Amino acid sequence: KQEVTQIPAALSVPEGENLVLNCSFTDSAIYNLQWFRQDPGKGLTSLLLIQSSQREQTSGRLNASLDKSSGRSTLYIAASQPGDSATYLCAVKAAGNMLTFGGGTRLMVKP
Amino acid sequence: SAVISQKPSRDICQRGTSLTIQCQVDSQVTMMFWYRQQPGQSLTLIATANQGSEATYESGFVIDKFPISRPNLTFSTLTVSNMSPEDSSIYLCSVGGGTLGDTQYFGPGTRLTVL
Repeated sequence: KQEVTQIPAALSVPEGENLVLNCSFTDSAIYNLQWFRQDPGKGLTSLLLIQSSQREQTSGRLNASLDKSSGRSTLYIAASQPGDSATYLCAVKAAGNMLTFGGGTRLMVKP
Repeated sequence: SAVISQKPSRDICQRGTSLTIQCQVDSQVTMMFWYRQQPGQSLTLIATANQGSEATYESGFVIDKFPISRPNLTFSTLTVSNMSPEDSSIYLCSVGGGTLGDTQYFGPGTRLTVL
């Protein structure tokens, strides 16, 4: 059974810092990995999708990497801003189109 | 991308009653899913809504408790039946496939509180 772990569970940083969120998964037989953002009481916003054949994806200040063989992904946020404060979730897709989610990293960026 | 709406956005219900949640997407999609997010926890897949046939349920979820309909490629409903306080969660509709490719998109969620 696939298990997804995110570290740290919570993170508080001053504005302007570069930061890294970590995601690990136990079964490397995945189709893709997706990073989401969730604001309190809201749904999920898709940030980046990395196919199993890819190593990284970039969107603006966000960069996600994938090392499928070691079961790891990182989300790098450059020059963090207070508006980046949210919970960040990673999810892996394997057979059957099912997404397995990690527990999330709750990020607070202080002005 | 996809624009997904859910109704209601939130509700407070009495124990023993049922609530039907609607999910509407602005384009035809191959896959529709229903997830649950219990307070302070991550998302758990309830079922895959299949057009024109019975939904496929994940372990721990059954049709009698969570009946699902999907009459066409843009609409689905999830009913939470005979509710108890343990059903208090956010219920999220998700779509993917077709013109959306491999990215999975989520609706805004329905926040359910059962008293």
